[in-house]
Amino acid sequence: DGGITQSPKYLFRKEGQNVTLSCEQNLNHDAMYWYRQDPGQGLRLIYYSQIVNDFQKGDIAEGYSVSREKKESFPLTVTSAQKNPTAFYLCASSSPPGGKGYGYTFGSGTRLTVV
Amino acid sequence: AQKVTQAQTEISVVEKEDVTLDCVYETRDTTYYLFWYKQPPSGELVFLIRRNSFDEQNEISGRYSWNFQKSTSSFNFTITASQVVDSAVYFCALSGLTDKLIFGTGTRLQVFP
Repeated sequence: DGGITQSPKYLFRKEGQNVTLSCEQNLNHDAMYWYRQDPGQGLRLIYYSQIVNDFQKGDIAEGYSVSREKKESFPLTVTSAQKNPTAFYLCASSSPPGGKGYGYTFGSGTRLTVV
Repeated sequence: AQKVTQAQTEISVVEKEDVTLDCVYETRDTTYYLFWYKQPPSGELVFLIRRNSFDEQNEISGRYSWNFQKSTSSFNFTITASQVVDSAVYFCALSGLTDKLIFGTGTRLQVFP
């Protein structure tokens, strides 16, 4: 079955460490996204990529970095510059807008906690 | 700029009551898409519906129905005869031709037996 795989499901990080969250899709989607969710809040866009080797900052990109070397993969690195990284992170991919099957598919998320 | 407003932070109902979740959006695009997602306690987002801006027909799917009104920039979601399994956070979202999905802050629905 096609879908998005995020790993790990839970991640603990010590202050000052960088961590990388994995996101892999086998839907052949060009576009991929990273969202952050804090308790009681909606999802905020961190970074997105519409094509391999290209990505753009979202609304809250500071303290994060991404790469898009392969169509299937869009890893997110939470750097030590991110002051409050404890949150739930969701990865998504989408087909091009306008098509009949246009929509977004989400992974099951990674819950990151700073200890 | 695009914006989605879900003014209801939390709603509590008793099973079998009908409940409507409100969603108001702002966009300058003439072509745009509206979505509703359900987020159960496990955290994953479950897709419920997508609507494009040229299709104002209301839709019904079982106990779920959606009312899209461009005149008031609203895309409201009604659950008829609510059940405990409907308890979740519900998000309304908007995307335009830029292909970025913008979310509202969500409405937490609690259905009590």
